[in-house]
Amino acid sequence: GQNIDQPTEMTATEGAIVQINCTYQTSGFNGLFWYQQHAGEAPTFLSYNVLDGLEEKGRFSSFLSRSKGYSYLLLKELQMKDSASYLCAVRDSNYQLIWGAGTKLIIKP
Amino acid sequence: EAQVTQNPRYLITVTGKKLTVTCSQNMNHEYMSWYRQDPGLGLRQIYYSMNVEVTDKGDVPEGYKVSRKEKRNFPLILESPSPNQTSLYFCASSLGDGLYEQYFGPGTRLTVT
Repeated sequence: GQNIDQPTEMTATEGAIVQINCTYQTSGFNGLFWYQQHAGEAPTFLSYNVLDGLEEKGRFSSFLSRSKGYSYLLLKELQMKDSASYLCAVRDSNYQLIWGAGTKLIIKP
Repeated sequence: EAQVTQNPRYLITVTGKKLTVTCSQNMNHEYMSWYRQDPGLGLRQIYYSMNVEVTDKGDVPEGYKVSRKEKRNFPLILESPSPNQTSLYFCASSLGDGLYEQYFGPGTRLTVT
């Protein structure tokens, strides 16, 4: 079966750095997405990785290792508004998106 | 403003009473999709559409119907809702055949009693 694993919940301190991991076992691989979802709101796109390596976009970076079936989202200089769920999604060989259950990130002052 | 809209945002209904949740996008996107989101399960795709008059089943299509008669609209129909369809529903759209990032509507919280 296809599976995406993310930690259910993480806690971090304002101003710090946090890394949210995502591991996947899918039928093929055609890209990995990270989305942010605030409570009660719609998911919004953060990043897309299809090749190995690090993609940096402001305070957020996303890393991919296809050989390890692994990605992480790195959030720097955490702000209270970063409190949200972070969703990892992988596109498989049929170009269908497989979604993880999401990681709820709690930021404390 | 580029957006995906859904209506209604909240709906409480009874078992067996047919309902439709509308979805509309103004970005001229070919690809549209419906998801349901339940605690601990992540987003699960119900149906998707690559273009007008082209629809296909996702992971959990049972109990749902869709249609795509116009490019901008993709309504979700529950012919005979049941309590296990109580969930948060999201419509999404993207360019092309879904290879790009998806833009989500604000969500519809449905409760079936």
